[in-house]
Amino acid sequence: EDQVTQSPEALRLQEGESSSLNCSYTVSGLRGLFWYRQDPGKGPEFLFTLYSAGEEKEKERLKATLTKKESFLHITAPKPEDSATYLCAVPVVGGRRALTFGSGTRLQVQP
Amino acid sequence: DGGITQSPKYLFRKEGQNVTLSCEQNLNHDAMYWYRQDPGQGLRLIYYSQIVNDFQKGDIAEGYSVSREKKESFPLTVTSAQKNPTAFYLCASTPGGGNQPQHFGDGTRLSIL
Repeated sequence: EDQVTQSPEALRLQEGESSSLNCSYTVSGLRGLFWYRQDPGKGPEFLFTLYSAGEEKEKERLKATLTKKESFLHITAPKPEDSATYLCAVPVVGGRRALTFGSGTRLQVQP
Repeated sequence: DGGITQSPKYLFRKEGQNVTLSCEQNLNHDAMYWYRQDPGQGLRLIYYSQIVNDFQKGDIAEGYSVSREKKESFPLTVTSAQKNPTAFYLCASTPGGGNQPQHFGDGTRLSIL
């Protein structure tokens, strides 16, 4: 069974304090890994897609990386507006064209 | 602007009542999905549809029903058989491929009166 595990569950940072979020997966034949940002009371907003080990994507203060077993979302010099829940997801293997989501990391950046 | 519109934003259900959540997209996407999100948990798949007039059960379909009569619309009915319906419901769509990112609406929060 495909599994996606995110850690930590919650993370509190001071403004400017860099850190990383982890997403580990057990999927045979990975066909992509997606990162989303979700604000309270809103739907997830797509951030990145990673397809192969070694791939990196960047957007402002965020950088996503991928290995054969996990992905990291690095946050450099975060600002309070980066506070949100970050979700990762992988495509379900087999005929069902859907995503399996991790439970997310709640990030709070304090000024 | 293209996107996914969910309505209403908040919905209250009485005991024994069926309620329907609306999801409309103008992205011309073939595939649409319904997820349920509970506090502190990830998204769980309720139903999905890859094409008009066809839909499949997800992991937690019991107590829910859907229809897909038009490409743009994928309404979800929460029936009285769903004993724990209080949750945040999210609708998503994608052009069709299983390895493409999904685009989400802003959700409907359903509560029990």
